[in-house]
Amino acid sequence: DQQVKQNSPSLSVQEGRISILNCDYTNSMFDYFLWYKKYPAEGPTFLISISSIKDKNEDGRFTVFLNKSAKHLSLHIVPSQPGDSAVYFCAASDNNDMRFGAGTRLTVKP
Amino acid sequence: EAGVVQSPRYKIIEKKQPVAFWCNPISGHNTLYWYRQNLGQGPELLIRYENEEAVDDSQLPKDRFSAERLKGVDSTLKIQPAELGDSAVYLCASSRGARSYEQYFGPGTRLTVT
Repeated sequence: DQQVKQNSPSLSVQEGRISILNCDYTNSMFDYFLWYKKYPAEGPTFLISISSIKDKNEDGRFTVFLNKSAKHLSLHIVPSQPGDSAVYFCAASDNNDMRFGAGTRLTVKP
Repeated sequence: EAGVVQSPRYKIIEKKQPVAFWCNPISGHNTLYWYRQNLGQGPELLIRYENEEAVDDSQLPKDRFSAERLKGVDSTLKIQPAELGDSAVYLCASSRGARSYEQYFGPGTRLTVT
């Protein structure tokens, strides 16, 4: 069962514009949410996270928004840069384990 | 600080052959994870260790998969015998503690079973 879903397999944006990556989850027991970034031939690297007690967390160009009632989170990247081109995984954790979405491939065009 | 090290990076074997993957976590990280990532999907947990103890192996296909973490540091994941459906990237990750959500991943081992 897919408890974490990223419905957009790919996203293409122009350099300097905003990238918005979306993620939905079904398990209300998840209390911590993360975004990982993955380049080809490398493992995922942690990007940003948010606790379920918050609705926004910002780190430089990256902001994660959490809507608990809708069981939805999003990652905003502004301004987008060509180096941001990668696969982005959404992950959600409860007390036991972490579940990952299938990923969204972001392409930022110069 | 050195990252998570995995070897080999790539492995091609014929079905029914055995294969083993090795992982060295970040120094001081007590929790170690093995994930499998199929093409076009996110990582799926196979087993989680806290020090030397396997605390979650519910997703590990125990008929052919085995893992060990001797002395609570390095870990090996073995498949015997391998099947065509085992072709995937096997990722190792580590974190400081059991409730440390930020996991650090190695580069993975890409396994191809022919």
